[in-house]
Amino acid sequence: GEDVEQSLFLSVREGDSSVINCTYTDSSSTYLYWYKQEPGAGLQLLTYIFSNMDMKQDQRLTVLLNKKDKHLSLRIADTQTGDSAIYFCAENFASGSARQLTFGSGTQLTVLP
Amino acid sequence: DTGVSQNPRHKITKRGQNVTFRCDPISEHNRLYWYRQTLGQGPEFLTYFQNEAQLEKSRLLSDRFSAERPKGSFSTLEIQRTEQGDSAMYLCASSLRGGGEREAFFGQGTRLTVV
Repeated sequence: GEDVEQSLFLSVREGDSSVINCTYTDSSSTYLYWYKQEPGAGLQLLTYIFSNMDMKQDQRLTVLLNKKDKHLSLRIADTQTGDSAIYFCAENFASGSARQLTFGSGTQLTVLP
Repeated sequence: DTGVSQNPRHKITKRGQNVTFRCDPISEHNRLYWYRQTLGQGPEFLTYFQNEAQLEKSRLLSDRFSAERPKGSFSTLEIQRTEQGDSAMYLCASSLRGGGEREAFFGQGTRLTVV
């Protein structure tokens, strides 16, 4: 079945770049997403990429997609302490009449001063 | 505030009691989703509505769970005879069909604790 894998933890120093990686299994996904979740809060959509794209840049965020290897990454430039959160990768896959999101377990990003 | 709104934010209930949660989606969004998130995990799909029609249900949604969206606007999720294993964050999301599938916006969630 569909499966999304992420590493659990990442620590970086403030000002450095962070790279969060994700692998997915469903080759029919049309969009892949990155969500951010702060403690006790819901999910905030950060960015998404269409499956026929290789890269998308949005201010400090860069998403890279390697469709052949089913690998997605999120790079955060100039990481700040406010970026500390859990980051979820998600793919949308077709099930019945609509597409559902399948999420990874999340990567806890800790930004050290 | 025009985001997805969920109420209550927190609910503590005794095992065996029934609970009901409410979700108000973004007003023009015709698709509404319920997800469940347990500690240390990503959200898992429970069910999906397009307007008032419930079109998909996960096998995670046991007979004790029922969801409605009577007028195609707000939705309720009811859990009957709660069990400790139902303790989780229940998240609602909405999107707009026809292009908006790209973007599903989530509410803040309702955290359920069954004691």
